[in-house]
Amino acid sequence: AQSVTQLDSHVSVSEGTPVLLRCNYSSSYSPSLFWYVQHPNKGLQLLLKYTSAATLVKGINGFEAEFKKSETSFHLTKPSAHMSDAAEYFCVVIPVGTDKLIFGTGTRLQVFP
Amino acid sequence: DAGITQSPRHKVTETGTPVTLRCHQTENHRYMYWYRQDPGHGLRLIHYSYGVKDTDKGEVSDGYSVSRSKTEDFLLTLESATSSQTSVYFCAISERSDYNEQFFGPGTRLTVL
Repeated sequence: AQSVTQLDSHVSVSEGTPVLLRCNYSSSYSPSLFWYVQHPNKGLQLLLKYTSAATLVKGINGFEAEFKKSETSFHLTKPSAHMSDAAEYFCVVIPVGTDKLIFGTGTRLQVFP
Repeated sequence: DAGITQSPRHKVTETGTPVTLRCHQTENHRYMYWYRQDPGHGLRLIHYSYGVKDTDKGEVSDGYSVSRSKTEDFLLTLESATSSQTSVYFCAISERSDYNEQFFGPGTRLTVL
């Protein structure tokens, strides 16, 4: 079965420092990959998506992710964290041939002043 | 924000009682989904619909039923609520584009005592 693994359940950074949230996927083929963000007591919002058009994907709020097939990774990065980035982030895969989202278990990002 | 509302937003009920959650969309999207979110599990698909009166089971469908009599409404019913169904429930919609991007509602927090 295809799945995603988020390697860190919690990440803490200082405001202004880089953010790295790690995600690995398992798939025999290149799937569609997404990052969603969930702020406290809110629904999920799409940050960015990879659908094989380009390996470096830029999203909203300065986030980007790079698809690396050789490493089966889709890590989320941001050069400089802002307090408003504190939230939970989900890496999501849509296996080839389906329309069902498979969610990772989430990474909670804390940003300290 | 995509036009998705969920009602109620919060509900406390007792074991054995029936509960119905409603998802309403104004986007005229064909696909609608119900997820539950639990700590350590991310979001898991309960049921989904690919058109009026067309529904199918997801990963965790036991104890739940759904109905879709109109494009805009998707109902999730717990016939006899159990404490294990205490969770946050999210509705999502998608247009069935190539990228299968889903838009999420604000969630319903259900507590079963």
